[in-house]
Formats: sequence, structure tokens, C-alpha cells
Amino acid sequence: NAGVTQTPKFQVLKTGQSMTLQCAQDMNHNSMYWYRQDPGMGLRLIYYSASEGTTDKGEVPNGYNVSRLNKREFSLRLESAAPSQTSVYFCASSLLPIAGAGDTQYFGPGTRLTVL
Amino acid sequence: AQSVAQPEDQVNVAEGNPLTVKCTYSVSGNPYLFWYVQYPNRGLQFLLKYITGDNLVKGSYGFEAEFNKSQTSFHLKKPSALVSDSALYFCAVRANPGTASKLTFGTGTRLQVTL
Repeated sequence: NAGVTQTPKFQVLKTGQSMTLQCAQDMNHNSMYWYRQDPGMGLRLIYYSASEGTTDKGEVPNGYNVSRLNKREFSLRLESAAPSQTSVYFCASSLLPIAGAGDTQYFGPGTRLTVL
Repeated sequence: AQSVAQPEDQVNVAEGNPLTVKCTYSVSGNPYLFWYVQYPNRGLQFLLKYITGDNLVKGSYGFEAEFNKSQTSFHLKKPSALVSDSALYFCAVRANPGTASKLTFGTGTRLQVTL
């Protein structure tokens, strides 16, 4: 199993450009997540999808959109990139969609995005 | 609201010595607590978690963590550090019950193990 995969690994954008970060998991997990990691701030949740067909905002959703394409795939779109979106983006997945479970999240290798 | 504090940006330990990476949390109700490790240019890897039961939790690579409800802490420990343990460590918390698996992460502690 590949686990959680992300593409691309690196990307440089100019301000105002758009792009989509792709994420896929082969663990038959129900829930998927997008985080951003910035120095000194840990990981912050952008959006998540508790199950196929649903998406919800996390802590920092402004400037982003997501699509849960199917059970395996969860994409993150930047419609008009801004320098403040320079970050490392991680996708994660977990098996159980419901609250009350000590569910472990598994992370992809990350996408390093720079917006000039 | 739930939160996690990792009070040390960096911990330095000599190889062979015991190590502790500190974590305190704030959450309504009972917590689920996690430790993840991040090696350079890699994603986060799950180390261990506390759900319920024994306060001492054992995880991967010889790491363990002790849940202390009265002190709201979940410190990560290892009896004998290795140079290969050098990495960035994140503590995370989720309320039990809480909205579907929304974790809150600490800001991370860099562990540096030297010969």
C-alpha cells in the first residue's frame, strides 16, 4: 500500500495564479483532511471531509476550496494564490468518520508551495 | 475550544540519556491524545495515542507517553535516546466526544540528540 500520496511535491506560483493540490489514499479510509504547516504554528486544519460526499471548513479555510472526488481522492484548490499561502500542505486520512473514536490520522509527504 | 502547548521549542539530549518532550492540553471532557514525529522533508508519522485505560502508553521506536489527568499533561519519553531520534515532535488533542476527528496540534518541539 502506498498510504497517502500527494502531488505535486513542490510548486512555485505567482500571485493570482490558481492551482489544485491532489491527494489520494489507498487505505479505504472514510475521512480526509487538508492541513497547512507554517514555522512556529504547528499544523492548522484547512478543510476536512468526514465521509464521501461531505466537506467542512476547518480553522483556516479562507482562500481555499476542496473537492471530495470519491472515497480515495480529496483535492485542495487555490483559486487566486497569495503570498500568505506560502506553506507546506499536508493531506491526511483516517478510517472512522464519526466522533467518539480514537481515530488515528495518517499523513502524506506534503507539498511545498511558494507564492511569489 | 481545545488547545495544546509544547513549552519547549527545542530539547537537546546526549545519546544514551533519557529524553522527555513535554505537552499539556486543554479540552472539554475527556481527551484523545496523540504524538507524531516529523523527519526532515517528510510527512508526520504516528507514534502513539492515549484513548482510555492505562495512563502509560507505549508506541513505536521505544517511545512511551504518560497521561496525567490532574496535570493535563501527556509527556513523551524514551529511556535511552538515539541520534536517529532527532526530529520534530508534535503533540495533538481531540475532544471525546468531538466533531469528526478534528485534531488540534501543538507548535512542535525539535529534538536534537548528539553523540
